[in-house]
Amino acid sequence: DVKVTQSSRYLVKRTGEKVFLECVQDMDHENMFWYRQDPGLGLRLIYFSYDVKMKEKGDIPEGYSVSREKKERFSLILESASTNQTSMYLCASSFLVRQGPGYTFGSGTRLTVV
Amino acid sequence: RKEVEQDPGPFNVPEGATVAFNCTYSNSASQSFFWYRQDCRKEPKLLMSVYSSGNEDGRFTAQLNRASQYISLLIRDSKLSDSATYLCVVSGNTPLVFGKGTRLSVIA
Repeated sequence: DVKVTQSSRYLVKRTGEKVFLECVQDMDHENMFWYRQDPGLGLRLIYFSYDVKMKEKGDIPEGYSVSREKKERFSLILESASTNQTSMYLCASSFLVRQGPGYTFGSGTRLTVV
Repeated sequence: RKEVEQDPGPFNVPEGATVAFNCTYSNSASQSFFWYRQDCRKEPKLLMSVYSSGNEDGRFTAQLNRASQYISLLIRDSKLSDSATYLCVVSGNTPLVFGKGTRLSVIA
């Protein structure tokens, strides 16, 4: 089975801190994605990557950046955490974006910014 | 217009009931369609893909109507374990777009 692992299940950070959320997948998928999920707003795409060192903005990239130095790892960076970035963050990976069997998600990181 | 729209529910149904969810999408170029299931405080997991001819997986049946741009999910003989949020998902030339989900509670 494809496994997508997110480094932390729960995280509490202070306003203004730089935060790194790590995601690793073990199935050699080209594509990786970061979403956040908030009540009433559903899943919103932050950034995605089709290949190593490639990145594309999603719908809500402001306040975030990403890094993909190796195929299996996709990091989400909050440059200066703010309370409105308190959310559930979900990483996903897939072979194909446009069609295929869909995504496999990690178990999520629940981030609280205080 | 939102890309993928679903009735948020909740749908509260007794065990054994049949329940149907609909979802509409706005991008006529969408090519792939899925239903995901998300349990409380867990990640979404693929329930089933949706094919043009319709498809069935046990108690679950998915239908696609391209002309009207909607997708449906039918659950027969509901079980307590079916209680979850069901996400409608479409894809065209962009990453998957998720609906906000429909919450189902199956009651004993």
